[in-house]
Amino acid sequence: EVQLVQSGAEVKKPGESLKISCKGSGYSFDSYWIGWVRQMPGKGLEWMGIIYPGDADTRYSPSCQGQVIISADRSTNTAYLQWSGLKAADTAIYYCARHLDSSGPYDAFDIWGQGTMVTVSS
Amino acid sequence: DIQMTQSPSTLSASVGDRVTITCRASQSIGSWLAWYQQKPGKAPSLLIYKGSILQSGVPSRFSGSGAGTEFTLTISSLQPEDFATYYCQQYKSHLYSFGQGTKLEIK
Repeated sequence: EVQLVQSGAEVKKPGESLKISCKGSGYSFDSYWIGWVRQMPGKGLEWMGIIYPGDADTRYSPSCQGQVIISADRSTNTAYLQWSGLKAADTAIYYCARHLDSSGPYDAFDIWGQGTMVTVSS
Repeated sequence: DIQMTQSPSTLSASVGDRVTITCRASQSIGSWLAWYQQKPGKAPSLLIYKGSILQSGVPSRFSGSGAGTEFTLTISSLQPEDFATYYCQQYKSHLYSFGQGTKLEIK
């Protein structure tokens, strides 16, 4: 079964760092782009960025560029989203999602992780 | 950046109704549009891609149409499990963007 399994919920204080994970299984992890999508409480979906694990090619939305780092470890089939200084405004559910097809750079997302709730509060 | 605008934001309908949700792009995106369904507390799930192609396993009462800047998602006969929030997403380039969502409520 193709699936993405994300790490568990986190509660952090402003200024702390955090790295959440998304582990792929059941497919060739290297060959499919994985994206990250943010959903703030009660709000819509916001695309943050995307990575191709095969060569670590990474693209960010303008609003997320410089605010987070997206990475991937091919040896463990895991993608990551990390912050070096969290803010209260980072409180959200974060989803990872895989491209539908491995053949092109732009695609819809067909497989989604279950989401990771990140709460940032003093 | 490409802005995606969905209408309506909220839609009240009854079981058996035919409903249509519209998504407009701020510039032409060809057919590079997907539709997702999200139920409370769950991750989104893919319904339609490339504007009109039904994702495997999605009921045939869902259909998508359009190209360029205007797209529609139609549910031909609403079922109880269809009450959810729907999002469009463009993927013409790597600056992906989502519409703000349409919440489909029971009338």
